[in-house]
Parts: sequence; structure tokens; C-alpha cells
Amino acid sequence: DAGVIQSPRHEVTEMGQEVTLRCKPISGHNSLFWYRQTMMRGLELLIYFNNNVPIDDSGMPEDRFSAKMPNASFSTLKIQPSEPRDSAVYFCASSIRVAEAFFGQGTRLTVV
Amino acid sequence: GQQLNQSPQSMFIQEGEDVSMNCTSSSIFNTWLWYKQDPGEGPVLLIALYKAGELTSNGRLTAQFGITRKDSFLNISASIPSDVGIYFCAGHRQGAQKLVFGQGTRLTINP
Repeated sequence: DAGVIQSPRHEVTEMGQEVTLRCKPISGHNSLFWYRQTMMRGLELLIYFNNNVPIDDSGMPEDRFSAKMPNASFSTLKIQPSEPRDSAVYFCASSIRVAEAFFGQGTRLTVV
Repeated sequence: GQQLNQSPQSMFIQEGEDVSMNCTSSSIFNTWLWYKQDPGEGPVLLIALYKAGELTSNGRLTAQFGITRKDSFLNISASIPSDVGIYFCAGHRQGAQKLVFGQGTRLTINP
């Protein structure tokens, strides 16, 4: 079992650029979550999907953030345009039961 | 919204000591979970608890689901250097679509 796979592991980009983060959930898991982690705010749920359908995107901070899940094995989180305050570690997690979420290794995003 | 209060925020202990941390909430949860996050990695699920009063062990780790359903405890016995990291509690309410996470307990071990 390869676990949840995220790419890239690190991303450095200039303010105003578009950033796309990618996630491959564990095969057979029907729920997918995108989290953001910062020192100040801890782990924040941005959006989650169930059976590829976005269920709750109330955590998405602004319209600059969007997420898609075109199929059961792939999801993207896009930030356009990026801003320095978007710098954080972004985690993707998947689960069969909501309570037992398995996290990827994260993408550390730095916007300069 | 729902919040979990996790304490302590940080711990500095000597190798070999036992560790205790807890998580409390103002509302009831049906499931409690404990995660550990190593530096530069994602949180890893350690223990999941599904019944009030349940006591579950995973090696040197023991966790309990509080009888009131509003709290949970994690104990680590005979700490070793690889126990260093941030420990998160998380709660799930039946029918809810997401987990609620505590702020984390950062564990540092002096050799």
C-alpha cells in the first residue's frame, strides 16, 4: 500500500503565480480531504470530497482557492493568484470512514 | 464551532520517562483518535477509540476514551528518542463529515 501520495513535496513560487498541488488517495478510499497547516492556526480543513463530489468547501479561505476531483484516484488544489500568506504545508488525506483519515506527506508551499 | 482543547502544548522530558497528555471538549464525540506527526511528515494515525470508557494500547502507547465522551487521554510509557514529535487528538461526531483536531502537544525528549 503506497499510502496517500502528494506532489510536489516542496513548492516555491512568486506572488501572483498559479500553484497546483496534487494528490493520489489510497485506492478504495471514498473520502478525500485537503488540509492546511500553519504554526498559527494548526490543521485547518479546507475542503472534502465524498465519492469525488465536493461536500463541504466552507474551509476554503477565498475564491483564489479551488479544488477538483475528476476521478477516484486524483485530486488537485489550485491557488490562483498565490499570495505570501498562502505559505503553509498542505496535506491531502483519504479515508473509508471519515474518522480514520490517512494523511499524505504534505506539500510545503512558500510564496515569495 | 467545535473545539478541542489539548494539553499540555509542549513537554520536555528525559528519555525513559512516562508521558501523559489529554484532550477535552465541550461537546460529545463518538470517536476519538490520536495522531503523531514527525518533522516534515504528515500525521500518522496511532490509535482510534470508538466506545466510551474504551482503553486501547498500541505498544507503549495507551489511549482512553473518556466516560463522558468529552475527553480522551494518551499515555506513552518509557519514552524513547523516536517518540519526539507532535501528537494530535481528533474527535468525530456521528453523522459529521469531518474531524475536529486539537492544537497538538509537542514532545521533546532529552537523552
